[in-house]
Amino acid sequence: SQQGEEDPQALSIQEGENATMNCSYKTSINNLQWYRQNSGRGLVHLILIRSNEREKHSGRLRVTLDTSKKSSSLLITASRAADTASYFCAAKAAGNKLTFGGGTRVLVKP
Amino acid sequence: DVKVTQSSRYLVKRTGEKVFLECVQDMDHENMFWYRQDPGLGLRLIYFSYDVKMKEKGDIPEGYSVSREKKERFSLILESASTNQTSMYLCASSGGTSGRASETQYFGPGTRLLVL
Repeated sequence: SQQGEEDPQALSIQEGENATMNCSYKTSINNLQWYRQNSGRGLVHLILIRSNEREKHSGRLRVTLDTSKKSSSLLITASRAADTASYFCAAKAAGNKLTFGGGTRVLVKP
Repeated sequence: DVKVTQSSRYLVKRTGEKVFLECVQDMDHENMFWYRQDPGLGLRLIYFSYDVKMKEKGDIPEGYSVSREKKERFSLILESASTNQTSMYLCASSGGTSGRASETQYFGPGTRLLVL
C-alpha cells in the first residue's frame, strides 16, 4: 500500500518561480525523504528530514515536516529548466524499507 | 560515488519466457531492493535483501523471485513473464544496518521491460 501520496500530481511553472509539492503519509515514521527522477532514469536522493525535525534546507530546497498532520512539503526556490523532473516522497518507518508515493511531475518552462 | 548498475536498459520478452534482471552495486552495501514503477502508482517494492542469501517479500512479490548469492549482486527473476509485468524495474541499495548510511537508497538507471 502507498505510504506517501504526493499532491499535485503535476505542476507547470515558469523559470524563476517557486515550486511547492506536498506529501501525506499514513503511519508513524523515522524519517521522510525526497527523491528526484529525470525522465526514464533512476531516482536520486535529495534530502532527508527526521521525525524530530520540522524544517530542513539544502541549497534551493526547503523541506518541512508536520508529524501531527502526517505531511511534508518540498519547496524548490528560483526554479530552473534543469529542475524539470518527477519528485517522490518516501516514508521510512522501522527497518530498511522505504514506501514511495506516486510522485509529482514538475515542468519548468524557460 | 555509489554506483548501481542494471544489466539492461531495455528488454523485450515474450509471454511465458523466464526473465533475469541483474543488479550490481559497488559500495559493499548490505541492503538491496527491487521495485517496479508504473505510471501513477509510484514505486512498489517487490523484494529486498539485507544480507547474502537472505530475502524478504515486499508489497508485490507475486510472480517474482530473487537471488542474492554474492553481496554485490541481486537478481530479479520472472519465472514465466506475463504482459502485466511490463514495467520499469528499478534496483536500489543502501548501506549498513543502522545510522545514516542505511537510511538513503541509491538507485540504478532502471530496466524498461516489455512483455509481448
